[in-house]
Amino acid sequence: GQQVMQIPQYQHVQEGEDFTTYCNSSTTLSNIQWYKQRPGGHPVFLIQLVKSGEVKKQKRLTFQFGEAKKNSSLHITATQTTDVGTYFCLTNAGKSTFGDGTTLTVKP
Amino acid sequence: DAEITQSPRHKITETGRQVTLACHQTWNHNNMFWYRQDLGHGLRLIHYSYGVQDTNKGEVSDGYSVSRSNTEDLPLTLESAASSQTSVYFCASSVGRQETQYFGPGTRLLVL
Repeated sequence: GQQVMQIPQYQHVQEGEDFTTYCNSSTTLSNIQWYKQRPGGHPVFLIQLVKSGEVKKQKRLTFQFGEAKKNSSLHITATQTTDVGTYFCLTNAGKSTFGDGTTLTVKP
Repeated sequence: DAEITQSPRHKITETGRQVTLACHQTWNHNNMFWYRQDLGHGLRLIHYSYGVQDTNKGEVSDGYSVSRSNTEDLPLTLESAASSQTSVYFCASSVGRQETQYFGPGTRLLVL
């Protein structure tokens, strides 16, 4: 079945440093979505990528979809304490499959 | 405003009891999903439905069942609760199969 690997599992940064999480699939994806879950909260949709090589930006967040549509990344520039939480990728070609998430902590 | 709600928000039960978790959405979404979230495992799909009378097994469906009698509700039933089913359960809905999923606030279940 479809597998999605997300790395790293945890990332601790100093406020102002950059952060990147990667999502890798064993199969070609039709699309990929990214979600953020704050501590104690529920996942909230951030963005969806559909096209090969697609790059989308939301303020300090940059999302990329690989040329082969098998991997994706989320990059945060100059992290802030409000960025803390767990970031998940979701692939839903067939059954809905989440990566295990990357938990980001930011030290002020 | 349209929303998705879950009840109860917290539940403590005993091993062997039947438990039903409710999920209700007012967006008129065709697709509904149940996930469980455990430390180190992210969100794992239990069951999902693409419309009324449609239900499908997810990655971790053993010990769980769902039914979809209307568009708004997808209750999740634990037939005979086990300690391994202690978890946080999230319900979600989406308008299309590969569209944005909107999550409920979650239900924390403790099985003693």
